[in-house]
Amino acid sequence: EPEVTQTPSHQVTQMGQEVILRCVPISNHLYFYWYRQILGQKVEFLVSFYNNEISEKSEIFDDQFSVERPDGSNFTLKIRSTKLEDSAMYFCASSEAGTGSTGELFFGEGSRLTVL
Amino acid sequence: QKEVEQNSGPLSVPEGAIASLNCTYSDRGSQSFFWYRQYSGKSPELIMFIYSNGDKEDGRFTAQLNKASQYVSLLIRDSQPSDSATYLCAVNMDSNYQLIWGAGTKLIIKP
Repeated sequence: EPEVTQTPSHQVTQMGQEVILRCVPISNHLYFYWYRQILGQKVEFLVSFYNNEISEKSEIFDDQFSVERPDGSNFTLKIRSTKLEDSAMYFCASSEAGTGSTGELFFGEGSRLTVL
Repeated sequence: QKEVEQNSGPLSVPEGAIASLNCTYSDRGSQSFFWYRQYSGKSPELIMFIYSNGDKEDGRFTAQLNKASQYVSLLIRDSQPSDSATYLCAVNMDSNYQLIWGAGTKLIIKP
C-alpha cells in the first residue's frame, strides 16, 4: 500500500541551528501538507503546497519556515534558526484532492524534532 | 476564532459496548468533517469523513453530522481493546486545504 515516508524519524538540534525535514508523499497525490503536534497538544496546520507553490499557510508558518519540492518526489520543510518552542512532532501528509472536497489526508509517521 | 472542541476524556467503555465520541465546531460554514484515530506516539489515521447531515456507517463505525447544531459524533459499536486510542476530530472550515483539529478524546476499552 502506498505510504508517505518521512526522514529523519528523530532529530536533536541545538537552538539556532537549521533543520531540514524530508518527506516523500504518495506518488499520485497533488496536495502536500506539513502539520505539527507539540507533545500533548493539538495537531496544528502549518502549510499546504499545490502546483509547486504554497496554497495556504497558518500564522505559525512565519519567515522561519520554508517548504520546497526540489524534485518530483521529495517535499521538504526547512526551519531556520530553531527555537526551543519548535520542539514537536512534524507530520507530512498528502492527498489526492484538497480537504475541502474529498481530500483524505495520508500522514507519514512523523519526524520528532527536539531543540536543546 | 476557528475552534473544534472535544472532551479530552478519558472515556472508559467496557469491551463490546458502544463508544460515543462528540465534537463541536465554531464555523457554521464548515464543509467537511473527519475522524482520525491516533495511537500514542503515532501519526493520525483516518477512520471516516462525512459531508452531509445525517449518519454515515462504515463497519463498526458510524459518523453523525448535525450542521444546525454544529456537532459531529462518532459511534464505535462492539468496542474492542484495540480501539483504545485518542480520537481526533478535524474540520475543514472555509478552506480547501487547512484542517482545524480538536484536542482529541482518549478512549479506553476495558476487557
